[in-house]
Amino acid sequence: RKEVEQDPGPFNVPEGATVAFNCTYSNSASQSFFWYRQDCRKEPKLLMSVYSSGNEDGRFTAQLNRASQYISLLIRDSKLSDSATYLCAVTRGGGYNKLIFGAGTRLAVHP
Amino acid sequence: DGGITQSPKYLFRKEGQNVTLSCEQNLNHDAMYWYRQDPGQGLRLIYYSQIVNDFQKGDIAEGYSVSREKKESFPLTVTSAQKNPTAFYLCASGRENTDTQYFGPGTRLTVL
Repeated sequence: RKEVEQDPGPFNVPEGATVAFNCTYSNSASQSFFWYRQDCRKEPKLLMSVYSSGNEDGRFTAQLNRASQYISLLIRDSKLSDSATYLCAVTRGGGYNKLIFGAGTRLAVHP
Repeated sequence: DGGITQSPKYLFRKEGQNVTLSCEQNLNHDAMYWYRQDPGQGLRLIYYSQIVNDFQKGDIAEGYSVSREKKESFPLTVTSAQKNPTAFYLCASGRENTDTQYFGPGTRLTVL
């Protein structure tokens, strides 16, 4: 089993739709969780950290489910500009700041 | 303007040659990292450094070397021993005692 797994997609959604991605992780000792956005042939950019209580930033909501070992990202009112690959990252428990990245979920928002 | 810079953006190398990829940051971050990304795969950690003059192997260090002589700089050398070096190389940095990492724009290396 991979340490971090994501559905590669693509998720094809119309503008205005709500879409959700999940990311499962295998190490129960993982402490920090992140979502990054990566545009084609560009570097990943931090979208948001994921806290135990969940967090929201505008149209984006991230949640953590420790019992089932997954994090989620919800995007409401999708925009064309949301089209990108979304990477989740999880700290490798016991290590120093070492992140393990999923392979990413591709989102394509169409008019 | 604070940030992480990587150069060159594109690099072409002949088989058997060593090449060095540059990574510089002016964010005053203690930790720096090198990853490679292959199509359809997640980022894989090559080397990381938490402090000047110290660095640790990541998951795929074979065929690579690094140095950390200055806080701002963490160059990566791709040696001829790396069997499949064609990839997108990403440098990242982060503050001490936090897990958040920020990425440079990357170097796309192609071996001809």
